[in-house]
Amino acid sequence: QVQLVQSGAEVREPGASVEVSCKASGYTFTSYAIHWVRQAPGQGLEWMGRIVVGYGDTWYSQKFQGRVTISRDTSASTTYMVLSSLTSEDTAVYYCARNPVGTITLDYWGQGTLVTVSS
Amino acid sequence: QSALTQPASVSGSPGQSITISCTGTNSDVGSYDLVSWYQQRPGKAPKLMIYEGTKRPSGVSNRFSGSKSGNTASLTISGLQAEDEADYYCCSYASTYNSLVFGGGTKLTVL
Repeated sequence: QVQLVQSGAEVREPGASVEVSCKASGYTFTSYAIHWVRQAPGQGLEWMGRIVVGYGDTWYSQKFQGRVTISRDTSASTTYMVLSSLTSEDTAVYYCARNPVGTITLDYWGQGTLVTVSS
Repeated sequence: QSALTQPASVSGSPGQSITISCTGTNSDVGSYDLVSWYQQRPGKAPKLMIYEGTKRPSGVSNRFSGSKSGNTASLTISGLQAEDEADYYCCSYASTYNSLVFGGGTKLTVL
């Protein structure tokens, strides 16, 4: 069955960077895209960007452009999201989600990773 | 970029039907039959309920249906059940920003 398993919770100080990973299984990793979506405490969902795994092509929200990098390791079936220059407003649960290429459907989601930014 | 507009909350009694609206613009909802809907229970990841406006993934109850009129997409849940209580989010492609955009979310309470 399709599974996306994310790395564990992280705590960072303001100004630091964080990397969250998302390991895929149960499907052909290179045939899909992976999107990253975050959710601040008590707030709604916010789209950050995506990578078409087979090509490595990335596409980022203007809000996070320059601060987020999404990459993948096809040999490990894993996608990575790095967010830099963290502030307290980046405290959120970060989700990865699978996307059939050519659609905007996010059909399977990871369990989420809590990133806390605090001094 | 602005989120799509959803009501903050809706409620209904078991067995009733409710509809959640998702209003955008002719640069997002109005221009594409690509709206998807997600259910999120507390502490859980979102779950896909409707995609491409009207389609249901395998395993999702046929009590859930999607539609669109102009710049507004809608999610209808018929025969409400206690297990439907959750937050619901719509999502669309937004050409102005070349991005995905979510609605602010709607909390469904089953009375």
